[in-house]
Amino acid sequence: ETGVTQSPTHLIKTRGQQVTLRCSSQSGHNTVSWYQQALGQGPQFIFQYYREEENGRGNFPPRFSGLQFPNYSSELNVNALELDDSALYLCASTSGGLAGQYNEQFFGPGTRLTVL
Amino acid sequence: EDKVVQSPLSLVVHEGDTVTLNCSYEVTNFRSLLWYKQEKKAPTFLFMLTSSGIEKKSGRLSSILDKKELSSILNITATQTGDSAIYLCAVEPYNQGGKLIFGQGTELSVKP
Repeated sequence: ETGVTQSPTHLIKTRGQQVTLRCSSQSGHNTVSWYQQALGQGPQFIFQYYREEENGRGNFPPRFSGLQFPNYSSELNVNALELDDSALYLCASTSGGLAGQYNEQFFGPGTRLTVL
Repeated sequence: EDKVVQSPLSLVVHEGDTVTLNCSYEVTNFRSLLWYKQEKKAPTFLFMLTSSGIEKKSGRLSSILDKKELSSILNITATQTGDSAIYLCAVEPYNQGGKLIFGQGTELSVKP
C-alpha cells in the first residue's frame, strides 16, 4: 500500500509570487484535505476535495485554491504570497464518502514553504 | 468559535516515567476525536475516539474520551526516548467537509 506523498519537500519563494504544491493520496483514498501548520502551532484546515469537488473550506482567503484530479491526486495553489504564508503544508487523505463511516486521515510528509 | 486546547504545551520526563496529555474541546456537533504523533513532519495516526468507542489502547499508549467533560487524555506508560515528539489532538465535527480542528500540540521530550 502506497502512503501519502507530497512534492516538493522544500520551497523558497518571494512575496507576491505564486506557488503550486502537489499531493498523491494513499491508494484507495478518494478524499484529500490540505492543512497549513505554522511553526509551533497545530495544523489549520484549508480545504478538502472529494471526488474532484471542494467539499469544505476553512478560514483562508480565495488566493488559496485547489484542484483534485481523476486519480485523486491534488494540488494546492497559493497566489500573491505573503510572508505569513511561510509554513509546513500538509496533505491528508482518507477513504471518505460513506455516511456514518469513520475514516481516519493519513498525512503526507508535508512541503516546507518559506516566503522571503 | 470551535476550539481545541491541549495541555501542557511542553513536558520533559525521564525514561520509564508515565505521562498524561490533556485535550479539551468546544466544538459544535462533535463527531470524533483523534490523536496524532508528529516527530518531524507527517503526523502519524494513533487513535480515533467516538461516542461508540471512548477508550482505546495500543501497547504503552491509551486514550479515553470524556464526552461529559468534553475532554480526552492520552497516557503513555514506561516512556522511551522514541516517544519524544509533538502529540496533536484533533476534533472532527459533523457536516464540515471532513475538517479536523487541531490543538496547539504538546511537545514531549523523554530524557535517557
